[in-house]
Amino acid sequence: EAGVTQFPSHSVIEKGQTVTLRCDPISGHDNLYWYRRVMGKEIKFLLHFVKESKQDESGMPNNRFLAERTGGTYSTLKVQPAELEDSGVYFCASSPFWTGGTYRYTFGSGTRLTVV
Amino acid sequence: DQQVKQNSPSLSVQEGRISILNCDYTNSMFDYFLWYKKYPAEGPTFLISISSIKDKNEDGRFTVFLNKSAKHLSLHIVPSQPGDSAVYFCAASEGNAGKSTFGDGTTLTVKP
Repeated sequence: EAGVTQFPSHSVIEKGQTVTLRCDPISGHDNLYWYRRVMGKEIKFLLHFVKESKQDESGMPNNRFLAERTGGTYSTLKVQPAELEDSGVYFCASSPFWTGGTYRYTFGSGTRLTVV
Repeated sequence: DQQVKQNSPSLSVQEGRISILNCDYTNSMFDYFLWYKKYPAEGPTFLISISSIKDKNEDGRFTVFLNKSAKHLSLHIVPSQPGDSAVYFCAASEGNAGKSTFGDGTTLTVKP
């Protein structure tokens, strides 16, 4: 099966610009997550979709970040306007629906965002 | 405050020896723990997991031990191979929350 695909793999933008990251999860995976790793630190949770609904967006840093998941398939994460501290690697992950317990994720390769 | 901590940023071992990677957590509500391995320019890949109802889980060369009273888990790799060189992340989750809380990672280097 195809894995989790993220696009672009790298993005360099200027402070104040807008960037949109895209994630295509594994087909049939209801759960889609966005995480971010900054400066080689921990991988931090941003938000969780179940199908097209936001299940948990407690990790979103502020209202400059907007995530959508159209029709429960692919997801986009928009940063507008970008700030220097938004630089980092943005990972998308997906997992199948579960009836109890926690399933392991399949991660994409990430988008490395650099804001200059 | 970080709820999952990996206090050793790096570890170097000789090929064939045992690698022990450690992880501590503070949230007593965590009941499922995972280890992921990450190579450069790739996303983390799942390695092994353990539920809080167990204290050990084994998969080939990889064994995870959980000490709930100490809120500590460890990953043992025996024997270590050069291909095991990567960043290892410990992660924890709570019930049906779905999201996981990750540590900073430990960079393992296995020398031939």
